[in-house]
Amino acid sequence: NAGVTQTPKFQVLKTGQSMTLQCAQDMNHNSMYWYRQDPGMGLRLIYYSASEGTTDKGEVPNGYNVSRLNKREFSLRLESAAPSQTSVYFCASIPGAQETQYFGPGTRLLVL
Amino acid sequence: KQEVTQIPAALSVPEGENLVLNCSFTDSAIYNLQWFRQDPGKGLTSLLLIQSSQREQTSGRLNASLDKSSGRSTLYIAASQPGDSATYLCAVSNWGAQKLVFGQGTRLTINP
Repeated sequence: NAGVTQTPKFQVLKTGQSMTLQCAQDMNHNSMYWYRQDPGMGLRLIYYSASEGTTDKGEVPNGYNVSRLNKREFSLRLESAAPSQTSVYFCASIPGAQETQYFGPGTRLLVL
Repeated sequence: KQEVTQIPAALSVPEGENLVLNCSFTDSAIYNLQWFRQDPGKGLTSLLLIQSSQREQTSGRLNASLDKSSGRSTLYIAASQPGDSATYLCAVSNWGAQKLVFGQGTRLTINP
């Protein structure tokens, strides 16, 4: 099993550009999550999907949209990137309610 | 709103010492608490998960305790090794939510 995979690993954007961060898991997990990690702030939840076909906002959803394409894939879209969205983005999945989360390796995004 | 705090932000100790990392949370109505390890430039790896009904969990040289009434958890690392150098994060999940709230992490350095 590859676990949780994320693409791209690193991206540089100009302010106003758009992009989609991809996440996939091959563990047949129901729930998937997107976090951002900033220095001194820990991880903050952007969006999550409890099951295929559902999505919910987390702590910091503004400026982002998500799509749960199928059970395996959960994408995060920045429609108009801003410098404040410079961060490391992590995707995670969980097999069932209240179990441990499995994390991807992260996407490092720099918005100029 | 649940808030999770980890003190200290950084810790440096000589190899072989036993050490304790601290985590506190403001809302005691948690479902579980997890400790993660994060190596530089990498994703998070789950170390221990303590359900709300448990007082502690052990894995090898690691022992995590949970005191819900005081809103505290500790991660005890025995006989520390340079390979233990990493950032350690704790996260709590509240009842009725599938979302984790993370602390800011403690960056641990073990000096040979």
